[in-house]
Amino acid sequence: AQKITQTQPGMFVQEKEAVTLDCTYDTSDQSYGLFWYKQPSSGEMIFLIYQGSYDEQNATEGRYSLNFQKARKSANLVISASQLGDSAMYFCAMREGSNFGNEKLTFGTGTRLTIIP
Amino acid sequence: DSGVTQTPKHLITATGQRVTLRCSPRSGDLSVYWYQQSLDQGLQFLIQYYNGEERAKGNILERFSAQQFPDLHSELNLSSLELGDSALYFCASSSRFEGTYNEQFFGPGTRLTVL
Repeated sequence: AQKITQTQPGMFVQEKEAVTLDCTYDTSDQSYGLFWYKQPSSGEMIFLIYQGSYDEQNATEGRYSLNFQKARKSANLVISASQLGDSAMYFCAMREGSNFGNEKLTFGTGTRLTIIP
Repeated sequence: DSGVTQTPKHLITATGQRVTLRCSPRSGDLSVYWYQQSLDQGLQFLIQYYNGEERAKGNILERFSAQQFPDLHSELNLSSLELGDSALYFCASSSRFEGTYNEQFFGPGTRLTVL
């Protein structure tokens, strides 16, 4: 079974609009972390935002926010006021277990976001 | 710039050959991770080292091996290369201080092409 599911292979959004990228996850651990990374066409992986399973507030980082719905096991990324530079692949990832155990990240298949001027 | 360096940036080689990919983590980071990104498999975790010791293993082939040296740089060795090994190989590093969430900082990657 997929541990991280990103159901939107591609999205087109008008510049300055908000966009939500979907991510659902599957884990039996009580302690886990959810990450979003951005991969521009140049190839590097850029960390955007993190949500811990015990965090009561949704994470925010500038124009990025994470809509965390624990009961639904979803961790959607919201980008407000999209810009042309937001065009990239976006990956949702999960780290299961405690911080000091197995720290590998499991990635989803990604969503290619294209911002239209 | 994440502070993680990887060399070489591009590598083109032939089937059956052996290559070594090098990674230098961010200053102070003790954990190094290797990931493979390919069109058919996506982004997959290969292996993790912490302060010179292997910490976790993922879908790493027996033809692949890695190590982390006392200066904390790491090398990923790929041998008996096959066409399917063509991929972007990322190294990432993180600190392991209590209270942080161990964000992994990724290097720019090494693009391996096997002909």
